[in-house]
Amino acid sequence: GESVGLHLPTLSVQEGDNSIINCAYSNSASDYFIWYKQESGKGPQFIIDIRSNMDKRQGQRVTVLLNKTVKHLSLQIAATQPGDSAVYFCAENGVYKYIFGTGTRLKVLA
Amino acid sequence: DVKVTQSSRYLVKRTGEKVFLECVQDMDHENMFWYRQDPGLGLRLIYFSYDVKMKEKGDIPEGYSVSREKKERFSLILESASTNQTSMYLCASSLQGGSNQPQHFGDGTRLSIL
Repeated sequence: GESVGLHLPTLSVQEGDNSIINCAYSNSASDYFIWYKQESGKGPQFIIDIRSNMDKRQGQRVTVLLNKTVKHLSLQIAATQPGDSAVYFCAENGVYKYIFGTGTRLKVLA
Repeated sequence: DVKVTQSSRYLVKRTGEKVFLECVQDMDHENMFWYRQDPGLGLRLIYFSYDVKMKEKGDIPEGYSVSREKKERFSLILESASTNQTSMYLCASSLQGGSNQPQHFGDGTRLSIL
């Protein structure tokens, strides 16, 4: 298996429950944020993004919440499924490049 | 859907070799990026390019160079491979717009330098 998530914090969730994955970002000037999902052996996959003029954005089974006051971003996954097992990480925009978090491993328990 | 294709999933090379990693995207994106991903360190930017023949250093360019002769192709070159360059290498592309456009990634090349 891949070793990219070797030292990551892990969130274990029962199948069917909701998952909440958190991310603290570093730059108060960042105005665009993305959540990525990375499955074992694959590259990061875009899930959802949000701009700083919004507090909340919903996709299919996913919701991103942005709290600019405390520089906090969260990803909520509804009715978590086995296929949601992966490493999730956030990204914030910097000058000409993104700043990526190191990620959280989500384990879905049957 | 955006497709970013990296030419090799796994590659094993020897110390001192010149190594080429190739990346092609099919969405006419202006921006292309090379990252390496190591346990506990997240994604670190090596080089990026915002146009053909243009390149900019990222956070860790030492020991690497890049080439962008065509818009759809961005190559990463390890001039003289060393064991500390053993890593997962990820290519990404995005539309023009600085860092206000999502980056789309390939599936990576796991490079081992012996």
